[in-house]
Amino acid sequence: GNSVTQMEGPVTLSEEAFLTINCTYTATGYPSLFWYVQYPGEGLQLLLKATKADDKGSNKGFEATYRKETTSFHLEKGSVQVSDSAVYFCALRPNSGNTPLVFGKGTRLSVIA
Amino acid sequence: EADIYQTPRYLVIGTGKKITLECSQTMGHDKMYWYQQDPGMELHLIHYSYGVNSTEKGDLSSESTVSRIRTEHFPLTLESARPSHTSQYLCASSDFREKLFFGSGTQLSVL
Repeated sequence: GNSVTQMEGPVTLSEEAFLTINCTYTATGYPSLFWYVQYPGEGLQLLLKATKADDKGSNKGFEATYRKETTSFHLEKGSVQVSDSAVYFCALRPNSGNTPLVFGKGTRLSVIA
Repeated sequence: EADIYQTPRYLVIGTGKKITLECSQTMGHDKMYWYQQDPGMELHLIHYSYGVNSTEKGDLSSESTVSRIRTEHFPLTLESARPSHTSQYLCASSDFREKLFFGSGTQLSVL
C-alpha cells in the first residue's frame, strides 16, 4: 500500500542552522509529493510540492527534491529562523484511483535564538 | 488565503452528549475531509467527500457520521461523545490541483 515515513522529532536547532527532515515513501507508480507545515494553533498549509521525478519544490527558503531512485523527498533549509518553528508533514497523493493524501506522522521543529 | 471555517474553536462537553462540529468553505471545492489529530500530531482521516451526497469512511470513522447536502458545508457528528474523543479535529477541502486548505481546527474535550 501507500505510506510515508518521516524522521521522528522533536528537532531542536539554533537560529541559522541547516535543516534536514527526512521523508521516504512507498507507493506504486509515480505519486505526487508534498510538504505541509502547521504553525502553533493553526491548521496545516501547503509548503511545497513536486509532481514528478527530479522535480524540486521550493518555497520560503525550503526545498525538497523528488528522488525516485531512493523514494525520498527530504525537506531542507539552509538557515532556519525562530519563525520556522512548526510541525512539518510529508505527504503523497497516489497517481491512480481517487484516494486522499497519505500523511506522515509529522516532525516538530523548534528553533531557538 | 484559506476560506474554510470551523466552529466552534473550542468545545468542552460531558460524556454521552451528541455534538456536531461545523465546517464550511467558500471556495466551491468538491472535495472535503475530516481529520483527527492526536497529541503526537499524527493525522487520522475520519471521513471524506468528493461532492454533494457523496461520503466515504476513513480510518477512524466508526464512531462518527458526516453529511454533504451542500457543496460548502460538511458537518461531523458524534452521536455519543466519550473521553477517548478528546482531540483536535481538522477540516480541509482541496482544489483541482489537490492542494489542501485546512481550517484552524476544533479542540474538543470530553469530560
